[in-house]
Amino acid sequence: ELKVEQNPLFLSMQEGKNYTIYCNYSTTSDRLYWYRQDPGKSLESLFVLLSNGAVKQEGRLMASLDTKARLSTLHITAAVHDLSATYFCAVDAYQGAQKLVFGQGTRLTINP
Amino acid sequence: DAGVIQSPRHEVTEMGQEVTLRCKPISGHNSLFWYRQTMMRGLELLIYFNNNVPIDDSGMPEDRFSAKMPNASFSTLKIQPSEPRDSAVYFCASSRGQGATEAFFGQGTRLTVV
Repeated sequence: ELKVEQNPLFLSMQEGKNYTIYCNYSTTSDRLYWYRQDPGKSLESLFVLLSNGAVKQEGRLMASLDTKARLSTLHITAAVHDLSATYFCAVDAYQGAQKLVFGQGTRLTINP
Repeated sequence: DAGVIQSPRHEVTEMGQEVTLRCKPISGHNSLFWYRQTMMRGLELLIYFNNNVPIDDSGMPEDRFSAKMPNASFSTLKIQPSEPRDSAVYFCASSRGQGATEAFFGQGTRLTVV
């Protein structure tokens, strides 16, 4: 059974700082997704990573995938308050059709 | 496209009552997912469909839960009878399902069973 683990689960940081969220998964997959969820809202797709070594960047967020290590990272550069949210990674445990298994989520709070 | 549409947005019901949640996926998407989100358990995949066929329902917690997808544009998740521990936010999501594409989520249904 595929397991997806994120760490840290809670992260409080100051504006302007850099930090990284980690996503580990237990079985082979080369399809990984990052989502953002604001309080009381739905999940918004941020990044789609489809191969080993894939790197995607959008603004202050950068995601990467190492399929051999079964690890993805979401790096935040010079954090701003607007990035406060819960971030989820999801791994595709393809079983004849797409099946997304989510990590626990990382609640990120950025303080002024 | 309007995105994934769920109804109702909020539902409050009494224990023992039947609850039906509805979902309209994005047109052209072949895969549909039902997730449940709680503080304690996070996001749990309940069931997913591909081309209207249930592929994996191993996440459905009990026989009280059932899901159907009678056609490509509509799915339901039914709880009968409902219990207070079913209180959660239920999300429906859809994706193209062919190859690796991201899933797009609806706004969710917040269910409260009292």
